[in-house]
Amino acid sequence: QVQLVQSGAEVKKPGASVTVSCKTSGYILTKNAMHWVRQAPGQSLEYMGWINAGKDITKYSQKFQGRVTITRDTSASVVFMELSSLRPEDSAVYYCARDGGLGSFLLDFWGQGTLVTVSS
Amino acid sequence: EFVLTQSPATLSVSPGETAVLSCRASQSVSSYLVWYQQRPGQAPRLLIYDASHRATGIPARFSGSGSGTDFTLTISSLEPEDSAVYYCQQRNSWPPTFGGGTKVELK
Repeated sequence: QVQLVQSGAEVKKPGASVTVSCKTSGYILTKNAMHWVRQAPGQSLEYMGWINAGKDITKYSQKFQGRVTITRDTSASVVFMELSSLRPEDSAVYYCARDGGLGSFLLDFWGQGTLVTVSS
Repeated sequence: EFVLTQSPATLSVSPGETAVLSCRASQSVSSYLVWYQQRPGQAPRLLIYDASHRATGIPARFSGSGSGTDFTLTISSLEPEDSAVYYCQQRNSWPPTFGGGTKVELK
């Protein structure tokens, strides 16, 4: 069965970077795209960007352009999301979510979430 | 960027009753509207895609309808495990966007 297992919680200082990993199993990584969505405490879901894991092509939401980088390691079946120049308002739960195809933007399986706290 | 407005913000319903949730788009999203359920402390779960198609394993008491700008998620015969926040998402245009959510509480 499809599973997405994310790395553990992180605490970072303002200005630092964080990398969250998403280990996939139960399917072939390159057959589906992967998206990243975040959720601040008590807030709705906010879309960050995606990677076509087959072609290694990425696209980022304008809000995060220049600060977010999504990569994948096909040999390890892992997708990474790096967010740089962290600020307190980046404190949120970060989710990876599998695309139903290679760009359908239908998020059919989600990771458990990774809490990132940004505080001095 | 497409804005999705969900109403009501909170819905309090008795077990066994029916809940009706609304999602309105700022522009037409055709039928490319998705619904997710998020239980407390959990990740979102896919419920309905393309306005009216239930995802695998979703009970028949969850149904979706609508097209263009107005969409509805109906949950009939509410059960305690249906207490959750429900989000709509449009996948018609870049970037995909989510609504603010409707919290369903059971009385």
